[in-house]
Amino acid sequence: EDQVTQSPEALRLQEGESSSLNCSYTVSGLRGLFWYRQDPGKGPEFLFTLYSAGEEKEKERLKATLTKKESFLHITAPKPEDSATYLCAVQAWDSNYQLIWGAGTKLIIKP
Amino acid sequence: GAVVSQHPSWVICKSGTSVKIECRSLDFQATTMFWYRQFPKQSLMLMATSNEGSKATYEQGVEKDKFLINHASLTLSTLTVTSAHPEDSSFYICSARAQRLSYEQYFGPGTRLTVT
Repeated sequence: EDQVTQSPEALRLQEGESSSLNCSYTVSGLRGLFWYRQDPGKGPEFLFTLYSAGEEKEKERLKATLTKKESFLHITAPKPEDSATYLCAVQAWDSNYQLIWGAGTKLIIKP
Repeated sequence: GAVVSQHPSWVICKSGTSVKIECRSLDFQATTMFWYRQFPKQSLMLMATSNEGSKATYEQGVEKDKFLINHASLTLSTLTVTSAHPEDSSFYICSARAQRLSYEQYFGPGTRLTVT
């Protein structure tokens, strides 16, 4: 069964304290792994798509990496505005482009 | 690019009435649209997938006669909650996928439905 597990559930960091969020997955055939950011009361905002092991993508203070079993979202020198829930999802080749979602990691950056 | 809008952003209705939520892709043609429901502090739950001009495919446990989905054009999908009850109160979010933008889904801002 296709499955996505994110850890930790919640992460509190001081401003400037770098860390990583984990997304472990099992999928029959990976078409893509997606990272989204969601603020309270809003729809998810697309961040990255990763397609194959070894791929890396960066955007400002965020960097996403992918292996055959997991993905990491590294956040470098975070700011309070980076506080949000970060969602990971995978899409299988045999799906109708549907996403299988993790439960998310709630990130809180304290000034 | 890749902007998706939803209307209304919030709605309050009485039990037994119907509510329609619109989802529009503003700057691209959406070959596939998705409707999700999200409960507080939970992840997204897919309700249905629709392709333009064809009937929506509903996830197991989602009543198709209660949640009517119409994907009439490549830029518009609607979700109608029929005979709404308080347990239908939730945050409804749509997303859209476009061929030219590969496999990503782009999400609308969501609609908060409260049934009294």
